[in-house]
Amino acid sequence: EAQVTQNPRYLITVTGKKLTVTCSQNMNHEYMSWYRQDPGLGLRQIYYSMNVEVTDKGDVPEGYKVSRKEKRNFPLILESPSPNQTSLYFCASSFLSKNQPQHFGDGTRLSIL
Amino acid sequence: QQQVKQSPQSLIVQKGGISIINCAYENTAFDYFPWYQQFPGKGPALLIAIRPDVSEKKEGRFTISFNKSAKQFSLHIMDSQPGDSATYFCAGNDYKLSFGAGTTVTVRA
Repeated sequence: EAQVTQNPRYLITVTGKKLTVTCSQNMNHEYMSWYRQDPGLGLRQIYYSMNVEVTDKGDVPEGYKVSRKEKRNFPLILESPSPNQTSLYFCASSFLSKNQPQHFGDGTRLSIL
Repeated sequence: QQQVKQSPQSLIVQKGGISIINCAYENTAFDYFPWYQQFPGKGPALLIAIRPDVSEKKEGRFTISFNKSAKQFSLHIMDSQPGDSATYFCAGNDYKLSFGAGTTVTVRA
């Protein structure tokens, strides 16, 4: 089954404690992306990657890091989480060809206390 | 600054009624306009999409109307069903997707 898998689905943690949210896709997609979803703001892109070792900032990259060492994996790293990063996070992937539909994971709800 | 403005924030419709969601954009570089549907606890999923050289696209009960000169597009859900209750996002795409804020649709039986 074609899917984007995120882990964990839920996490409550404290300010400053480094955390990683993993994302894996099994569709051989070149393009992967992270979004955060906040009420009234829709989905905003954090980082994206067009292929292995190629990453770039989205609209709201501050406080986040990513890496793309393998085509299927695109982890999101919060080195020193803060309460304003409490949000619902989605990973997505697609083929790199123009206007390909993005396939989303089921989300990770992060609460930073 | 949101590049795609979406309204209303929420709407309630009776079963069998028509749901209408409107979006407006400023970025004329957008060349693809998808709509995503999101159920609670799930990620958004592509519902229907349109290119700006087409004024209307219909797939089943879902229709996109597109007005290029006004830089507006809308989603119409005909014969709304309780299973259509979800959050809907419009988006514009140039080299990346820019999403609207979302509309929560509730269909009452």
